[in-house]
Amino acid sequence: RKEVEQDPGPFNVPEGATVAFNCTYSNSASQSFFWYRQDCRKEPKLLMSVYSSGNEDGRFTAQLNRASQYISLLIRDSKLSDSATYLCVVDHGQNFVFGPGTRLSVLP
Amino acid sequence: NAGVMQNPRHLVRRRGQEARLRCSPMKGHSHVYWYRQLPEEGLKFMVYLQKENIIDESGMPKERFSAEFPKEGPSILRIQQVVRGDSAAYFCASSPQGYNEQFFGPGTRLTVL
Repeated sequence: RKEVEQDPGPFNVPEGATVAFNCTYSNSASQSFFWYRQDCRKEPKLLMSVYSSGNEDGRFTAQLNRASQYISLLIRDSKLSDSATYLCVVDHGQNFVFGPGTRLSVLP
Repeated sequence: NAGVMQNPRHLVRRRGQEARLRCSPMKGHSHVYWYRQLPEEGLKFMVYLQKENIIDESGMPKERFSAEFPKEGPSILRIQQVVRGDSAAYFCASSPQGYNEQFFGPGTRLTVL
């Protein structure tokens, strides 16, 4: 099993839709979880940290399920500018492991 | 407050030459991470450094690659005798402490001819 797995997509959704991504991780000892977004040929940008109790930032909601070892990202009322690759990041020992990313295309 | 800075942004080398990539972390950050991203692939961890120390280099190829983060100056990722397979985007990230959010630089795109 890979350390961090994500559905590569692409997810093609219309503007205004709600879309959810899941990410599974293999290391049950992981403590830190993040979602990043990466636009084509640009650097990853931190979207949000993921806390045990779940957290929300505007249209974005992140959840952590330790028992099943997955984290999720929900995007409501999607905008054209949300089109990007979404990377799940999990700590693994002393470093971080990035998932392969899920591509999202929001269509007009 | 300047973000993470990397230079050069683009680097072209011929096979067998050396490549030196520089990374200046955000002000106040003492933890630096290097990642490599091949075209159409995900980010792969290479090395994690604190000032003057290599904390984790489990993702670094055993040969030709080295990294340092001296007491003064930027972190350097050095690739000796480059080969075509080294062509990739190399990203540096920094954080104020370990296990914190990492902030990325714009990357250096290395092309080996």
